[in-house]
Amino acid sequence: KAGVTQTPRYLIKTRGQQVTLSCSPISGHRSVSWYQQTPGQGLQFLFEYFSETQRNKGNFPGRFSGRQFSNSRSEMNVSTLELGDSALYLCASSLDAKETQYFGPGTRLLVL
Amino acid sequence: AQKVTQAQTEISVVEKEDVTLDCVYETRDTTYYLFWYKQPPSGELVFLIRRNSFDEQNEISGRYSWNFQKSTSSFNFTITASQVVDSAVYFCALRPASGGSYIPTFGRGTSLIVHP
Repeated sequence: KAGVTQTPRYLIKTRGQQVTLSCSPISGHRSVSWYQQTPGQGLQFLFEYFSETQRNKGNFPGRFSGRQFSNSRSEMNVSTLELGDSALYLCASSLDAKETQYFGPGTRLLVL
Repeated sequence: AQKVTQAQTEISVVEKEDVTLDCVYETRDTTYYLFWYKQPPSGELVFLIRRNSFDEQNEISGRYSWNFQKSTSSFNFTITASQVVDSAVYFCALRPASGGSYIPTFGRGTSLIVHP
């Protein structure tokens, strides 16, 4: 089976712009979670989607949003980018929220 | 609230040495899962193991072994005869097994450097 894929792998944006990141889960996995990883804060949970519904949300501002499509692919959007949004964004998929999560390679976002 | 502590920020060893990565956790949940992930420089977190809170049996997989002790809330990871390819950041994580919210909590990671 193919693993979790994320596009793009690298991204450079400027403050105030918005960005959309994409994640394709492992085939058959219906739960997709997003994480932000920074040297200062470590790995932080953003949100989790299951069957196109957001089931859990981390402590992030409303500028961070996401969605899931009927084929379980997911996108996350960050609007009005700030310098502090520079991070590695990781997507993880699992059969269900209770099951083991498998991570993608991540998207490295740099905000200038 | 859940908490995972990986007190070792960085460990440096020479190839073939054994190394143990410590993980201590706090939770009020009666049932939970514990995980170890490996993050090489490429960035992807690679799943290594999952343990259930009700299963304290230790596990060995090749050069890797895990020691889960509920009495001390620890889930330590040992690499025997380390190799350069083991160099990575290792994360311990804790996740509830019931209650509806399965949001995991990750430790800050331990960077392992294996020198040839």
